[in-house]
Amino acid sequence: DTEVTQTPKHLVMGMTNKKSLKCEQHMGHRAMYWYKQKAKKPPELMFVYSYEKLSINESVPSRFSPECPNSSLLNLHLHALQPEDSALYLCASSQPLGGASNQPQHFGDGTRLSIL
Amino acid sequence: AQSVSQHNHHVILSEAASLELGCNYSYGGTVNLFWYVQYPGQHLQLLLKYFSGDPLVKGIKGFEAEFIKSKFSFNLRKPSVQWSDTAEYFCAVTPGGSYIPTFGRGTSLIVHP
Repeated sequence: DTEVTQTPKHLVMGMTNKKSLKCEQHMGHRAMYWYKQKAKKPPELMFVYSYEKLSINESVPSRFSPECPNSSLLNLHLHALQPEDSALYLCASSQPLGGASNQPQHFGDGTRLSIL
Repeated sequence: AQSVSQHNHHVILSEAASLELGCNYSYGGTVNLFWYVQYPGQHLQLLLKYFSGDPLVKGIKGFEAEFIKSKFSFNLRKPSVQWSDTAEYFCAVTPGGSYIPTFGRGTSLIVHP
């Protein structure tokens, strides 16, 4: 079992819906990440939060909106998604530089998202 | 920009065969190296990591990897694979001074019983 919990595990939504993905970790990690993963492909970095501040946005369309309410939680708000956004969305956490630096990432099971 | 290359995209083996998956990176400075595995329908999990010291590192489930600095490589090995090793394997590299890895494109391993 992973120490990073993601909900929901599966989500089917229409292109006009608004939904949110949630991620939670209690390992004291201060860096949290959102990745998008297509089948048989590596994770593609979307966003990085370091100490609850957005530090990296990899040119992600504005229909994806991240939020980090506190050091344990990470949300990804979805609105007006396109069919090509269907993928596995992974959350990960780690210690950022300055903490226990260069530690590996811990991944959640992901949310499998399907856009109709 | 740094890059990570995994040249073996698909590998098919029979049980008990030996495995070696290649990983090369392009970065001249200090690096931290990882191999992750993703079993079907499961999350990515760490197999092993290298930060410093002995360049031959041992991980979980009988896997090991060797860091060869002169070749910018970090190849993954297992002497005898099992059907349960069927999975996607990703090499990842984090430069010293960063905490964000670059992933290779992955290798799909299928082990036939």
